[in-house]
Amino acid sequence: NAGVTQTPKFRVLKTGQSMTLLCAQDMNHEYMYWYRQDPGMGLRLIHYSVGEGTTAKGEVPDGYNVSRLKKQNFLLGLESAAPSQTSVYFCASSRRRTGAGELFFGEGSRLTVL
Amino acid sequence: RKEVEQDPGPFNVPEGATVAFNCTYSNSASQSFFWYRQDCRKEPKLLMSVYSSGNEDGRFTAQLNRASQYISLLIRDSKLSDSATYLCVVNRGSFKTIFGAGTRLFVKA
Repeated sequence: NAGVTQTPKFRVLKTGQSMTLLCAQDMNHEYMYWYRQDPGMGLRLIHYSVGEGTTAKGEVPDGYNVSRLKKQNFLLGLESAAPSQTSVYFCASSRRRTGAGELFFGEGSRLTVL
Repeated sequence: RKEVEQDPGPFNVPEGATVAFNCTYSNSASQSFFWYRQDCRKEPKLLMSVYSSGNEDGRFTAQLNRASQYISLLIRDSKLSDSATYLCVVNRGSFKTIFGAGTRLFVKA
């Protein structure tokens, strides 16, 4: 059972380049999330989705865009990467909204922006 | 000041020891509480929810003190496999879930 799958696992970008992180879940969860994790800080919510076709901003949305065209997929885009976006990105999904149930995370995507 | 604060550690304990972590939160509107475990370079995974009356899962015991706004995690009879970072997670309403930065635990043989 795959759970939550993220691609790519690692990526190095130059400042100004764009890229898309892909997240897929096979648990039929309504809710999906993108977090970033930086040293010495807790995970911070970038964007989230409460269902197919819907997205909303989280705590740190600037510089990122998202789309949820299919229930099982949640894409995170960086239009013009900046060194401040060097981080580990985690996608997560849940059957219920956060705080009401378990978050299932992908293995993470390590992004370095030079 | 961070909304959820944890001692970053590391806590270095021998196998078989009992170790406890505390986590404080600043927003009194916080509603639900969790401990997640994160192994090195891996994703976080739910360890246990924390209930007002306290709850236990095998060697792990979680407590909540709403008056003092802290939660705790007690690990008894530590195993090498308990070595990880423990994340305190606090939710204060729809999609307002705050993660602590984590407490690192190393269990030595």
